[in-house]
Amino acid sequence: AQSVTQLDSHVSVSEGTPVLLRCNYSSSYSPSLFWYVQHPNKGLQLLLKYTSAATLVKGINGFEAEFKKSETSFHLTKPSAHMSDAAEYFCVVSPYTDKLIFGTGTRLQVFP
Amino acid sequence: SQTIHQWPATLVQPVGSPLSLECTVEGTSNPNLYWYRQAAGRGLQLLFYSVGIGQISSEVPQNLSASRPQDRQFILSSKKLLLSDSGFYLCAWRGGPGEQFFGPGTRLTVL
Repeated sequence: AQSVTQLDSHVSVSEGTPVLLRCNYSSSYSPSLFWYVQHPNKGLQLLLKYTSAATLVKGINGFEAEFKKSETSFHLTKPSAHMSDAAEYFCVVSPYTDKLIFGTGTRLQVFP
Repeated sequence: SQTIHQWPATLVQPVGSPLSLECTVEGTSNPNLYWYRQAAGRGLQLLFYSVGIGQISSEVPQNLSASRPQDRQFILSSKKLLLSDSGFYLCAWRGGPGEQFFGPGTRLTVL
């Protein structure tokens, strides 16, 4: 069975400092992996996706993630946090093209 | 462009009352549609998905049901709400492979 584990439930950073949100996956074959963002009381928005092309994936709003098969990781990073980045972030694996399996989420706080 | 609507945005219902949440999609035809529930501090749990009119697959046993009376309409229902039904309900449609687009959600509080 496929699954994802988000290693931190909360991450706090200062504005202008780097962001690292960690995700490990479990899969018996090469997975499709995604990061979604959810702002308070809003729906989810796709940040980026990995589908076995380039291992470094660039997304919207300056975020990127690197697929590392040897470490079974798909960590989300951003060089410089902005106040508007404060939200909940979900790492997601897709075992089939029709279904998504969500991690439990990481809440990112950005302090001025 | 495609848009997805959900209503109501918020709902407070007593235990034992019925429920009907509606989701409609514009700008696409024959979409795959999904209902998720997000409980406080937890990830999203897939409740139902539909590949067409009248075709519903249930992912978890519960007192909720779903229906798809029209191509772009997806309804989540319950005959009698439980306290545990409280949560944030999200509707989504399938875009590209493995990619889904979410509605704004309905926050349901059962008292």
